[in-house]
Amino acid sequence: QKEVEQDPGPLSVPEGAIVSLNCTYSNSAFQYFMWYRQYSRKGPELLMYTYSSGNKEDGRFTAQVDKSSKYISLFIRDSQPSDSATYLCAMSAWKGAQKLVFGQGTRLTINP
Amino acid sequence: DGGITQSPKYLFRKEGQNVTLSCEQNLNHDAMYWYRQDPGQGLRLIYYSQIVNDFQKGDIAEGYSVSREKKESFPLTVTSAQKNPTAFYLCASSRTSGIQETQYFGPGTRLLVL
Repeated sequence: QKEVEQDPGPLSVPEGAIVSLNCTYSNSAFQYFMWYRQYSRKGPELLMYTYSSGNKEDGRFTAQVDKSSKYISLFIRDSQPSDSATYLCAMSAWKGAQKLVFGQGTRLTINP
Repeated sequence: DGGITQSPKYLFRKEGQNVTLSCEQNLNHDAMYWYRQDPGQGLRLIYYSQIVNDFQKGDIAEGYSVSREKKESFPLTVTSAQKNPTAFYLCASSRTSGIQETQYFGPGTRLLVL
């Protein structure tokens, strides 16, 4: 069993829809959680960073962490075609960034 | 602009050939990383370095080698021992202390076998 599981998709939704992307994990020591966005043939870029449980909002993006269920989510409101990308979750048990564990990535397409 | 540069963007390798991928950062980060990305498999760690002249193997180090002679540079050599090198290679860097640290990625190098 992988430490971090992420549905690879692909996921295709119409423009304006609310998108929910999810990861589950098995290591209860994880307490730092990240979402990266990766456009085709580009390097990943950090989208959201959360610590421990709770929600964090940034514009149209909301990151949610439920440590009791070992489950994290990324919600995208009013989705746009420019949101079409692969979304990778990553997490760490350490405050430093040296031990990140990544999910497989979910490929998302927003259709105009 | 501060950031991470990788070169070349595309690289072709012949059988039995060693090739070197370049990674440079001007973010003054102490730690640097190399990942391999294959379709549907996410990112797999090849090597990482937390300080100059020191580096550690990641999950898939076999067939690869690295050096860290300068803080800014962390080149990756794909040796002839790596039998399936076709992949997208990503370099990343991070600080090793502070709050909410995370890794920042370069644009990647796509390696293809001729």
